[in-house]
Amino acid sequence: AQKITQTQPGMFVQEKEAVTLDCTYDTSDPSYGLFWYKQPSSGEMIFLIYQGSYDQQNATEGRYSLNFQKARKSANLVISASQLGDSAMYFCAMRGPPNDYKLSFGAGTTVTVRA
Amino acid sequence: DVKVTQSSRYLVKRTGEKVFLECVQDMDHENMFWYRQDPGLGLRLIYFSYDVKMKEKGDIPEGYSVSREKKERFSLILESASTNQTSMYLCASRDREGNSPLHFGNGTRLTVT
Repeated sequence: AQKITQTQPGMFVQEKEAVTLDCTYDTSDPSYGLFWYKQPSSGEMIFLIYQGSYDQQNATEGRYSLNFQKARKSANLVISASQLGDSAMYFCAMRGPPNDYKLSFGAGTTVTVRA
Repeated sequence: DVKVTQSSRYLVKRTGEKVFLECVQDMDHENMFWYRQDPGLGLRLIYFSYDVKMKEKGDIPEGYSVSREKKERFSLILESASTNQTSMYLCASRDREGNSPLHFGNGTRLTVT
């Protein structure tokens, strides 16, 4: 069974600073994928970034980057130059092998950006 | 752009009622999912479907059933609603490709009184 752990229930970050959101996972499958989603107060789930277990480089999407440490089974999200609009709940999720269609989610981390 | 539409944003039902939550996607995705979201617990998978008429239990299927008669539509059924089923329900769909993300609907906040 897959397990995703996000240990930070809430975080505060100053505007324009970087913030790192922790995510660790547990799986025995060699092939898996990791996703990060953002959920603002409006409730919509917004896909941010994806990292495959065989990808050689860490994924980046604009101000989002994924610090993937396979041996430690961690996939931390880094948001650079935080903006007020980054205030939201962030979820880490994992998919197992390609024929396992479902994603398992962590409990989420609430980020509040201060002006 | 993928659109996943959930029929209701808010629902209030009484204990013991049969409740239907409907979800429609317009991108011909094979896979569809129902999650519930509760504070501190993240999203938990109730049921998913990888094709028409095919379904599999997720992590918390008790008290729920699903129906997928057409590819674009995936329904969640609460056979006899209970107060512990008060929650936010999120429908999602995705392509078969391994790196395909889930596309979510806006959610249905269900209150059972």
